[in-house]
Amino acid sequence: DTEVTQTPKHLVMGMTNKKSLKCEQHMGHRAMYWYKQKAKKPPELMFVYSYEKLSINESVPSRFSPECPNSSLLNLHLHALQPEDSALYLCASSQDAGIQETQYFGPGTRLLVL
Amino acid sequence: GESVGLHLPTLSVQEGDNSIINCAYSNSASDYFIWYKQESGKGPQFIIDIRSNMDKRQGQRVTVLLNKTVKHLSLQIAATQPGDSAVYFCAETTGRRALTFGSGTRLQVQP
Repeated sequence: DTEVTQTPKHLVMGMTNKKSLKCEQHMGHRAMYWYKQKAKKPPELMFVYSYEKLSINESVPSRFSPECPNSSLLNLHLHALQPEDSALYLCASSQDAGIQETQYFGPGTRLLVL
Repeated sequence: GESVGLHLPTLSVQEGDNSIINCAYSNSASDYFIWYKQESGKGPQFIIDIRSNMDKRQGQRVTVLLNKTVKHLSLQIAATQPGDSAVYFCAETTGRRALTFGSGTRLQVQP
């Protein structure tokens, strides 16, 4: 089973809203990732969690706040977003972080900020 | 292929033909490479990977070739089917550095 699930599938929010994206995997993977993908572009790394600790933050604005409550769950809290933050947000997981590890992706949450 | 502005390079093939999608990478220290397939509205799906100590790896209908001398990776799909239509991304990494994705190539399969 290589399934990563994400909720919600779609999200529309205003610039003053607070919302959260959720990601879950039950493969026993110890590394989880958030990516942002704009149309016709490759995924761009936002955050990496390794063993439930934030190990990489790719200079992401503070209006995006990740959280890893346990080894199976990863959240992305959104607050005061801008219209240019509209994108597909992808979660991925891998056995470990780096060292030739395959990342498995979820289906993504398509976010529209009005 | 290389990204040109907002337009993905596109490879159009007839159903049943073989497809070859190319990817150039820049980091000579990269030692692990993955091909992902992304269908419209879905997340990237793992297809095949290869480590730098190999130059060829085969899967079911797919073959990945790695030429470290010229830093080039290719994905060959045999007997391409309409279900293969998608955007294909190569990705590479070394050590504990996060994956770096290529710009993507759209494969269109004509019935």
